[in-house]
Amino acid sequence: GQNIDQPTEMTATEGAIVQINCTYQTSGFNGLFWYQQHAGEAPTFLSYNVLDGLEEKGRFSSFLSRSKGYSYLLLKELQMKDSASYLCAAMDSNYQLIWGAGTKLIIKP
Amino acid sequence: GAVVSQHPSWVICKSGTSVKIECRSLDFQATTMFWYRQFPKQSLMLMATSNEGSKATYEQGVEKDKFLINHASLTLSTLTVTSAHPEDSSFYICSARAGVEGLAGVPYEQYFGPGTRLTVT
Repeated sequence: GQNIDQPTEMTATEGAIVQINCTYQTSGFNGLFWYQQHAGEAPTFLSYNVLDGLEEKGRFSSFLSRSKGYSYLLLKELQMKDSASYLCAAMDSNYQLIWGAGTKLIIKP
Repeated sequence: GAVVSQHPSWVICKSGTSVKIECRSLDFQATTMFWYRQFPKQSLMLMATSNEGSKATYEQGVEKDKFLINHASLTLSTLTVTSAHPEDSSFYICSARAGVEGLAGVPYEQYFGPGTRLTVT
């Protein structure tokens, strides 16, 4: 079956760095997405990886290892506004997104 | 670019009534639109996929007679929750997809609407 695993909740301190991991098993693979979702709002796109390696975009970076079925989202210089849920989603062979349950990130001052 | 709107943003209805939610792509043509449901502290659950001019494809366990989807144009899809019950109370989110290359080079990227919170009393 198809499955996405990510931690349920993480806590970090303002100004610090946090890494949110995601492992996936899908029927075929056409890329890995990370979305940010604040409570009561729709998801917003953060990153897309289809090739192995690290993609850096400002304070956020995303890494992919296709052979390991593994990705992580790295958030640097954490700000209070980064408190949100972070959703990992893998695109399968039918170009459908398979969603993880999301990781709730709590930022403490 | 890539703006998707939903209307209404929230709605309260009585049990047994029907509610229609609209999803519009404002600045691009959406060949495919998706409807998701999200319960508190849970992830997005895909309900159905609709392509303009054809019948929607529903995910397993989603009642197509209860959740009516119409994708009448390349910019509008509607979800009608018929005979709503309290257990249908949820956050409904639509997304729209432009095509293979997306609008910014990300293949099959989905653009999300702001969501509609439905409360059935």
